[in-house]
Amino acid sequence: AQTVTQSQPEMSVQEAETVTLSCTYDTSESDYYLFWYKQPPSRQMILVIRQEAYKQQNATENRFSVNFQKAAKSFSLKISDSQLGDAAMYFCAYWGYGGSQGNLIFGKGTKLSVKP
Amino acid sequence: DSGVTQTPKHLITATGQRVTLRCSPRSGDLSVYWYQQSLDQGLQFLIQYYNGEERAKGNILERFSAQQFPDLHSELNLSSLELGDSALYFCASGEGDLSTQYFGPGTRLLVL
Repeated sequence: AQTVTQSQPEMSVQEAETVTLSCTYDTSESDYYLFWYKQPPSRQMILVIRQEAYKQQNATENRFSVNFQKAAKSFSLKISDSQLGDAAMYFCAYWGYGGSQGNLIFGKGTKLSVKP
Repeated sequence: DSGVTQTPKHLITATGQRVTLRCSPRSGDLSVYWYQQSLDQGLQFLIQYYNGEERAKGNILERFSAQQFPDLHSELNLSSLELGDSALYFCASGEGDLSTQYFGPGTRLLVL
């Protein structure tokens, strides 16, 4: 079965600085997708970024980028120029065609605080 | 705003009762997914419907059931409620059977 591990329960960053959130996963599938979702205090789940496993190029969305290391099964999220609005829980999620049958498998999340 | 709507936003009920949560997917999306988020279990997949048919099942209790209607909205029915069912229930929708999922705002259920 696929698993997703986020080893940092909490992280803190100074406003305007850069922070990296870690995620590792375990799978025997070769084709899959990885996601980062953000959950602010409103509890809404917001899609931050998506990475297709078959693409070697790391995904980027404005201030958010990933470092995808397929062999190492690592998928970290880098937030540049951190803003107060980035404070939230961040969940890494796996999605595959096989055993997970298209549903998302989530890590336990990392709580990010942004200091002014 | 993801375009996925869920009602009600909040629900308070008593043990043993039955409730229905409703979800309307984004326009054009055929898949609806239900997730439960609790403090001890984290985010867990419950069930998926695609174009009216059940497609995948996760850790959904027998007391829980769901369906997707011809207009593609979905309902999650929770019966014989227990204290441990208190959680945030999310609906997500996706364009196809296997596609990026966009989440609704959730329904917060409190069982007293």
